[in-house]
Amino acid sequence: EPEVTQTPSHQVTQMGQEVILHCVPISNHLYFYWYRQILGQKVEFLVSFYNNEISEKSEIFDDQFSVERPDGSNFTLKIRSTKLEDSAMYFCASSVSGNTATGELFFGEGSRLTVL
Amino acid sequence: LAKTTQPISMDSYEGQEVNITCSHNNIATNDYITWYQQFPSQGPRFIIQGYKTKVTNEVASLFIPADRKSSTLSLPRVSLSDTAVYYCLVASNDYKLSFGAGTTVTVRA
Repeated sequence: EPEVTQTPSHQVTQMGQEVILHCVPISNHLYFYWYRQILGQKVEFLVSFYNNEISEKSEIFDDQFSVERPDGSNFTLKIRSTKLEDSAMYFCASSVSGNTATGELFFGEGSRLTVL
Repeated sequence: LAKTTQPISMDSYEGQEVNITCSHNNIATNDYITWYQQFPSQGPRFIIQGYKTKVTNEVASLFIPADRKSSTLSLPRVSLSDTAVYYCLVASNDYKLSFGAGTTVTVRA
């Protein structure tokens, strides 16, 4: 069964450092997403991406965050200068359609980011 | 965006049927109801989706009354591996899903 893969599974970084999280979406999917989940809290939407552009972003997704699809398969989330409160599990997701009403999002296993 | 309300937690035993009811009083005409499941340290996984009446797949059933102000996810004959958080989401075509706190279902032997 096709799946979304994420690397690294766990990253530890120092406050102020740049972090890049990597995702390989399912190959025929066109819409890509990043979500995050702080330990013990709910899953929060960060950004959606289609046709090399951001479709929608949340208030969390400020200037410290950026996304990129550098080639035909990878989808990355960059955090320029990490803060302690960026510590969370980051989930990548992809879907065939951007219609979240009738479509299904496929989530990866997540990348756990720990900022010290 | 329609707000959803669901119980914080539910306990059950193996072999029982679990029904989780979600209320979404402000659901809009174009909104669909979707349920996701999340195991600890894993990403959410789609379970089922519907607009009205009843939808059934190999995992669960979804019951939606005519007024669509609530929905009930039914998990038949649960096992220990069904212990997870279950999220009720109401979504329209807006490129994102908004997750609430979900219902933590604990299945005991």
